[in-house]
Amino acid sequence: AQKVTQAQTEISVVEKEDVTLDCVYETRDTTYYLFWYKQPPSGELVFLIRRNSFDEQNEISGRYSWNFQKSTSSFNFTITASQVVDSAVYFCAPTNFGNEKLTFGTGTRLTIIP
Amino acid sequence: GAVVSQHPSRVICKSGTSVKIECRSLDFQATTMFWYRQFPKQSLMLMATSNEGSKATYEQGVEKDKFLINHASLTLSTLTVTSAHPEDSSFYICSARDNANTIYFGEGSWLTVV
Repeated sequence: AQKVTQAQTEISVVEKEDVTLDCVYETRDTTYYLFWYKQPPSGELVFLIRRNSFDEQNEISGRYSWNFQKSTSSFNFTITASQVVDSAVYFCAPTNFGNEKLTFGTGTRLTIIP
Repeated sequence: GAVVSQHPSRVICKSGTSVKIECRSLDFQATTMFWYRQFPKQSLMLMATSNEGSKATYEQGVEKDKFLINHASLTLSTLTVTSAHPEDSSFYICSARDNANTIYFGEGSWLTVV
């Protein structure tokens, strides 16, 4: 079984500030995937990233970056120069290899203040 | 990226009637799809795993006779909420894995039972 903790329930930052969303997960699997999704008010889940457990390289995609620390079971997500369009609920979710069941935490509601 | 499409995006039905929601993988084949349910401001809860050509696997506490799942082809899974009641009003969303092991979600379906 897997578990994910997103301790920050809600975050508000002023536009253009950087913000980091924390994700701590628990798993007994030795190999697994970690996902981040964005859920805007319209409801759809937008895929942001998939990380393999054996690949600890950090990743940057435009204003988004992810810091994967396997030793502390964390997979944090940073948005630099935040924009109002970044306002959404963000979910971190692990799944093991070969099993597409995602385990969702409670998510973090991010509000970017203009 | 791969696309998963859901239909309808919004549906209102009368109490006691049944409503069907479709989930399609548009550019890849999915032997397995997943159905989630989300109440307002809450996380996503897995309802069932839809398996092409076989019976769905339901999570504990989910009534299989109430939430009928059919996975008739490699690109289509349907969720039918039978004898719907107001407490079934919720956001239903499906997911599927593409060949690169990335899990994509549909746009979701808002169900309101009146």
